[in-house]
Amino acid sequence: QLQLQESGPGLVKPSETLSLTCTVSGDSISSDTYYWGWIRQPPGKGLEWIGSIYHSGSTHYNPSLKSRVTISVDTSKNQFSLKLTSVTAADTAVYFCTSVLGSVFRFHHWGQGSLVTVSS
Amino acid sequence: QSALTQPRSVSGSPGQSVTISCTGTSSDVGRYDYVSWYQQHPGKAPKLLIYDVIKRPSGVSDRFSGSKSGNTASLTISGLQAEDEADYYCNSYAGSYTFVAFGGGTKLTVL
Repeated sequence: QLQLQESGPGLVKPSETLSLTCTVSGDSISSDTYYWGWIRQPPGKGLEWIGSIYHSGSTHYNPSLKSRVTISVDTSKNQFSLKLTSVTAADTAVYFCTSVLGSVFRFHHWGQGSLVTVSS
Repeated sequence: QSALTQPRSVSGSPGQSVTISCTGTSSDVGRYDYVSWYQQHPGKAPKLLIYDVIKRPSGVSDRFSGSKSGNTASLTISGLQAEDEADYYCNSYAGSYTFVAFGGGTKLTVL
């Protein structure tokens, strides 16, 4: 059974960079079946797609976040990562990593989520 | 404001059926058969229920079914159970620029 686990700081200062890592277990991140994605959910609000990556390194980003987002993959560690620069309080959210079935938009397996608060 | 429109809330009694709608445009829901539905209980990660409008992942109950007509997709939950009380989200492929659109979510209350 594919499992994902987010890790990273729970508190980030405004204007700094948010960094999260997702560790995949139960399958290889180089599997041809999946892309890998990040989705966030502000407290009490809905889901927002951040971006998706394939093991080759090919990425797709939400146009509204594209200028601040980098998603990368480390196949040797079976991990993929998210960096979001110049954060503000509006970036406070639970960040989920996901497996994405077949392409960039079918979010299959989910991590438990990691709350990141942006505050000084 | 979410790209896809869902009702804020729906409700039903145990054993009944409920349907949740997800309305987009001819650029997303209406153009592609790539609508997915997710169930999210409080404090938990979402769970994929339906993908590609009508397909169910292994292990998902057949009480959950999906459909689409024009720019509106629908999730139907039959034989409503107390455990179905949750938030439900739809998403759709939205083309090679936007890629992914989500609905704002619908809170299902089991009376």
